[in-house]
Amino acid sequence: DAMVIQNPRYQVTQFGKPVTLSCSQTLNHNVMYWYQQKSSQAPKLLFHYYDKDFNNEADTPDNFQSRRPNTSFCFLDIRSPGLGDAAMYLCATSRDYGSSTNEQFFGPGTRLTVL
Amino acid sequence: GIQVEQSPPDLILQEGANSTLRCNFSDSVNNLQWFHQNPWGQLINLFYIPSGTKQNGRLSATTVATERYSLLYISSSQTTDSGVYFCAVDKAQGAQKLVFGQGTRLTINP
Repeated sequence: DAMVIQNPRYQVTQFGKPVTLSCSQTLNHNVMYWYQQKSSQAPKLLFHYYDKDFNNEADTPDNFQSRRPNTSFCFLDIRSPGLGDAAMYLCATSRDYGSSTNEQFFGPGTRLTVL
Repeated sequence: GIQVEQSPPDLILQEGANSTLRCNFSDSVNNLQWFHQNPWGQLINLFYIPSGTKQNGRLSATTVATERYSLLYISSSQTTDSGVYFCAVDKAQGAQKLVFGQGTRLTINP
């Protein structure tokens, strides 16, 4: 089955220690998104890639970076995690931007704990 | 930016009951999706419904784009329907991102 895969499902890191979260997709979609969801809140978009073009949200902290080395993979790098970065990180994909192609499909998420 | 409001915030029902969840949005949209977030945190796609009506088993959804609201109907609720239901929209012009409502937490008691 075509799907969005995230690894690891649970990640524990120490305050200030860089961490990388991984997302892969077998859907061959052009667009990949990273959302952050804190406890009891709604998901919030951090950034997305359209193919190789990176699109950052205005209020995403510089501490968060992303890489998309190819169509299938996208990484979220947190350079110096703080306690406030503990959250569920959700990766999503969509085929394209336009109507009928912009339905988003989510992976299972990575729950990040910062000690 | 676009505002998305969901109601009610919490809903507690007995197994077998029917429910209606509402999503109001403040601008024209070219994407509206309903999700169920399961206890493990995964967002499960329920409907892609920027306009019109769709049905999938015990679930159905209607979006009236001109009046800027969408409804999710759950019939004959089961305990496995428990969880948080999110409505998310993508504004018609530009943005290219889903903006989520705050969700409705549904609890189905046996």
